[in-house]
Amino acid sequence: EAGVAQSPRYKIIEKRQSVAFWCNPISGHATLYWYQQILGQGPKLLIQFQNNGVVDDSQLPKDRFSAERLKGVDSTLKIQPAKLEDSAVYLCASSPTGGGTEAFFGQGTRLTVV
Amino acid sequence: GENVEQHPSTLSVQEGDSAVIKCTYSDSASNYFPWYKQELGKGPQLIIDIRSNVGEKKDQRIAVTLNKTAKHFSLHITETQPEDSAVYFCAADPSYGKLTFGQGTILTVHP
Repeated sequence: EAGVAQSPRYKIIEKRQSVAFWCNPISGHATLYWYQQILGQGPKLLIQFQNNGVVDDSQLPKDRFSAERLKGVDSTLKIQPAKLEDSAVYLCASSPTGGGTEAFFGQGTRLTVV
Repeated sequence: GENVEQHPSTLSVQEGDSAVIKCTYSDSASNYFPWYKQELGKGPQLIIDIRSNVGEKKDQRIAVTLNKTAKHFSLHITETQPEDSAVYFCAADPSYGKLTFGQGTILTVHP
């Protein structure tokens, strides 16, 4: 079974530029998550989708971050404009259903804002 | 919201020794507690999980215990091997998928 696919693996941008990350979850998984992992910390949930609807985006900085899940499958996370403090690894995860089940993580996209 | 505290932040053991990592959580509604292992440059991978109706679960060299009254849970790794070296995260889920992670423990197993 193919895992969660993310691209790109690495991205370096200047502050105030925009950037987008892509995620393809495991086939058939209804729930998709985006997490932000700052160096030396645990992942922090940014947004959770159930199919193509948003379940929780309470920790998403909506003035600069946006996310969508196309047709309940692939998802993109965008940052515009980027700040230095956005430097982190952005992890996508998926699970068959919502809570109480294993979340499968992709390898992540390491973003460096200079 | 949920808050998860994890200790210690670093743990160094000799090969063959046991390692114990402890976590506490704040939200009594949490009822699913997974443990993830993260190797350098990779995403977290589930190694074991426990639900609130179970006090202990074991899978070969790995075990997890849960005390719902005290709101703490622990990971136990026995007979550690160098390949167990990684960052370990505990997490708590109040049943709707909003995992809150601890700060992580860097485990180093010396040959």
